[in-house]
Amino acid sequence: DIEMTQSPSSLSASVGDRVTITCRTSLSINNYLAWYQQKPGKVPKLLISGASILESGVPSRFSGSGSGIEFTLTISSLQPEDVATYYCQKYNSPPRTFGQGTKVEIK
Amino acid sequence: QVQLQQWGAGLLKPSETLSLTCDVKGGSLSGYYWSWIRQTPGKGLEWIGEINPVSRVINYNPSLKSRLTISVDTSNNQFSLKLTSVTAADTAVYYCARGGVPVAWSSLNYWGQGTLVTVSS
Repeated sequence: DIEMTQSPSSLSASVGDRVTITCRTSLSINNYLAWYQQKPGKVPKLLISGASILESGVPSRFSGSGSGIEFTLTISSLQPEDVATYYCQKYNSPPRTFGQGTKVEIK
Repeated sequence: QVQLQQWGAGLLKPSETLSLTCDVKGGSLSGYYWSWIRQTPGKGLEWIGEINPVSRVINYNPSLKSRLTISVDTSNNQFSLKLTSVTAADTAVYYCARGGVPVAWSSLNYWGQGTLVTVSS
């Protein structure tokens, strides 16, 4: 099975900071990568599919990039409402594994 | 707009069978892959498996495959999860979900509300 490595596991940044989360896979998954946001006590919400396609209604400060084995989720200007845990997921083939998650907090 | 509503027993004893059902509103089961995911307390998300009602393709997480059954009831627009011989390690919030496009390689765009299942003697 393809291994997923998401980093960092947590981060603390100030409002307005640029935040970057990385997801690496042990084999190429082309661009079959999604990013989800899960706020405390809530259901995960799809932010980005196809590595870089922003879902409708998601603020433009979120962006995704990468292909192959390395991917990034960037929040260009962190806002208080972005406090959440973020997960990547590979969906090219089963098992459609999730990354370990990155908890984002406000400093 | 597709809505997924799930239910099932929330408290089980070790060795019992976990059984959850996901009811699909606002769309047909046909064509899409229907998935189960779980999240252990304070931990991350674990993909459990998926089913396609048309092709009857079922994919399971290898770590759970020996105890797992995912099935579909097209007449009632529902799909289900059964996990046998549960232990405390199976305590988690279980989610049903659906992809955004009717192909196997799809992100999970629609989620159920989640069901907390606790395994305790």
